[in-house]
Amino acid sequence: GNSVTQMEGPVTLSEEAFLTINCTYTATGYPSLFWYVQYPGEGLQLLLKATKADDKGSNKGFEATYRKETTSFHLEKGSVQVSDSAVYFCALSKTAGNKLTFGGGTRVLVKP
Amino acid sequence: EPEVTQTPSHQVTQMGQEVILRCVPISNHLYFYWYRQILGQKVEFLVSFYNNEISEKSEIFDDQFSVERPDGSNFTLKIRSTKLEDSAMYFCASSGNPTGEKETQYFGPGTRLLVL
Repeated sequence: GNSVTQMEGPVTLSEEAFLTINCTYTATGYPSLFWYVQYPGEGLQLLLKATKADDKGSNKGFEATYRKETTSFHLEKGSVQVSDSAVYFCALSKTAGNKLTFGGGTRVLVKP
Repeated sequence: EPEVTQTPSHQVTQMGQEVILRCVPISNHLYFYWYRQILGQKVEFLVSFYNNEISEKSEIFDDQFSVERPDGSNFTLKIRSTKLEDSAMYFCASSGNPTGEKETQYFGPGTRLLVL
């Protein structure tokens, strides 16, 4: 079956540091890939997505590139802020209307 | 901007009691989902719903669970006889804008269920 593996946290950074969260997946075919973010006390919000190989998703300074050859979708941000403190989830879906399969989530804490 | 809403935000119940969690998906979406997140664990798929029937369900979604879309706006998850291990955050999601983007699932804020 499909699976998503992402690095365990927590990841603790200083403000303006570079953030990378690794995500790899196992799936047949060409799934769509997503990063969701969960701020404290809130639900899941879509951060960015990519639907085919070599696509780059970007939003709020975050980027991730769909790498078919390495089955990866690593999340990066060049300069984090305290407000980026949250739990980040990598997920995949085979097609529209199909379930999302989530990774375990990575908690990120950014200190001033 | 349209959003998914869920009620109640918190629910405390006694083991063996029935609970109904309610969701209002985004109005023109076609696909509806329930997920749960046990504290500190990953988000797990429970069930998806399309065209007034279940399209997929996980092994978690056993006979004590049911879903219903009783009218054109609500989408409910019923747990008939709650167990301690049903304590979790339950998320509703919807997707499938018929005239636009169909892939992205939009999540509600969740209902935190505590079974005592």
